[in-house]
Amino acid sequence: EIVLTQFPGTLSLSPGERATLSCRASQIIRSRSLNWYQQKPGQAPRLLIFGASIRATGIPDRFSGSGSGTDFTLTISRLEPEDFAVYYCQQYGNSQFTFGPGTRVDVK
Amino acid sequence: QVQLVQSGAEVKKPGASVKVSCKTSGYSFTGGYYIHWVRQAPGQGLEWMGWVSPKTGGTHYAENFQGRVTMTRDTSTSTVYMEVSRLRSEDTAVYYCAREESVDTTLMLDFWGQGTLVTVSS
Repeated sequence: EIVLTQFPGTLSLSPGERATLSCRASQIIRSRSLNWYQQKPGQAPRLLIFGASIRATGIPDRFSGSGSGTDFTLTISRLEPEDFAVYYCQQYGNSQFTFGPGTRVDVK
Repeated sequence: QVQLVQSGAEVKKPGASVKVSCKTSGYSFTGGYYIHWVRQAPGQGLEWMGWVSPKTGGTHYAENFQGRVTMTRDTSTSTVYMEVSRLRSEDTAVYYCAREESVDTTLMLDFWGQGTLVTVSS
């Protein structure tokens, strides 16, 4: 079973700053298999990035994804007030989906 | 527009069962889109539970839930169901349904229900 680790656990930043979130897989995964979601309190998760680097419909271009192999990154170029949330990476393989533990981005 | 609307909150006693529904609309229910279930315990992360194929009724469950979870569908109402049996306090969580979309060979959960809180308490 592939395990996803996310770091840091919490990222404290100010609006306008750049956020860099990491997701590491316990073994090599296909880039197409890595997705990112955003979740705000009391809401369902929202798809941000699929296939490691493709923005989902309606997602602003300040969000970008990159990476391959075991190491993947979600970058928010300039944090807007609505971007403070929890972010999860997720992978799939052998009919199984797995989520990382999440990174909380909060206001410094 | 695509919508997944889940049933309301439930309170159950340990050992009981709960069945949560997810009514879909805005797309072809039997058009090949799997429906997944994901749960989130209070203050915790997302835990994937499995999927059901509305087209065939086929299912695949996460190992942690095999033997205790059943996912079904009703094509006449475009609704999927997720039942958890032998409930214990650790099953207290918000349960989400989500639609799987496929782009080339990339799979993702693109639309989500609003979530259903299941509380297990004696």
